[in-house]
Amino acid sequence: AQSVSQHNHHVILSEAASLELGCNYSYGGTVNLFWYVQYPGQHLQLLLKYFSGDPLVKGIKGFEAEFIKSKFSFNLRKPSVQWSDTAEYFCAVVYYGGSQGNLIFGKGTKLSVKP
Amino acid sequence: NAGVTQTPKFRILKIGQSMTLQCTQDMNHNYMYWYRQDPGMGLKLIYYSVGAGITDKGEVPNGYNVSRSTTEDFPLRLELAAPSQTSVYFCASSYRSPGAEQYFGPGTRLTVT
Repeated sequence: AQSVSQHNHHVILSEAASLELGCNYSYGGTVNLFWYVQYPGQHLQLLLKYFSGDPLVKGIKGFEAEFIKSKFSFNLRKPSVQWSDTAEYFCAVVYYGGSQGNLIFGKGTKLSVKP
Repeated sequence: NAGVTQTPKFRILKIGQSMTLQCTQDMNHNYMYWYRQDPGMGLKLIYYSVGAGITDKGEVPNGYNVSRSTTEDFPLRLELAAPSQTSVYFCASSYRSPGAEQYFGPGTRLTVT
C-alpha cells in the first residue's frame, strides 16, 4: 500500500541548532510532495511543496526540502531553528498512478525547540 | 476572506448520539475533504468531494456520512457516535485536485463518552 514514513516521532533541539526531518514515500512513480506544519492550537498550513523541476524547494520561514527520487525521500531542513518553530510537522504525498490518488499523510514529527 | 471555517470547535457526545460537523469555505474551491487526526497517527481521509453533488469515500469512512449540496458547504454527519470516533476533525479544500495545496480549517475536537 502507498504510504509515507516520517522517521522521528519527537525531536528536541536548542535554538540555533540545525534541523533535518526525514520523510520517505513508498512509490516510484509520479508524486506531489508537501510539508505541512501545525503550530500549537492552530490548524495545518502549508510549509512548502514539490511538483516538478528543481528538487531543492524553498518554503516559508527559512525552511527548505530536497526531493531525492532515487531514495524516495523529501527531507525537511532548516539551518538554524527558533523557539517559534516548535510545532508538529507532517510530510504528505499525492501519488499519480492509473488515477490520481488522495493526499496521504505521515504520522508527524513533533519538534520542540528549547530557548 | 475567512478561508475554511468549522463549527463547533469542541463537542462532547454520549455514545449513540448523532451530530453534524459544519464546514464552509469561501474560496470557491471545487474540492473539499474531511480528515480525522489521532495522536501519533497523522491525518486520515474520511470523505472527499470533487464538486457539488459528488462525494466519495476516503480511507476511514465507516460511521460517517457527508453531503455536498453547494460549493461552499461540506457537512460531516456522525450517526450513532462511538468512543472510537473521539478525534480532532479537520475540513480542507483545494481549488483543483488533491495534488494542489489544501487549505485547512481550525478543527473540531470531538469526545465521545
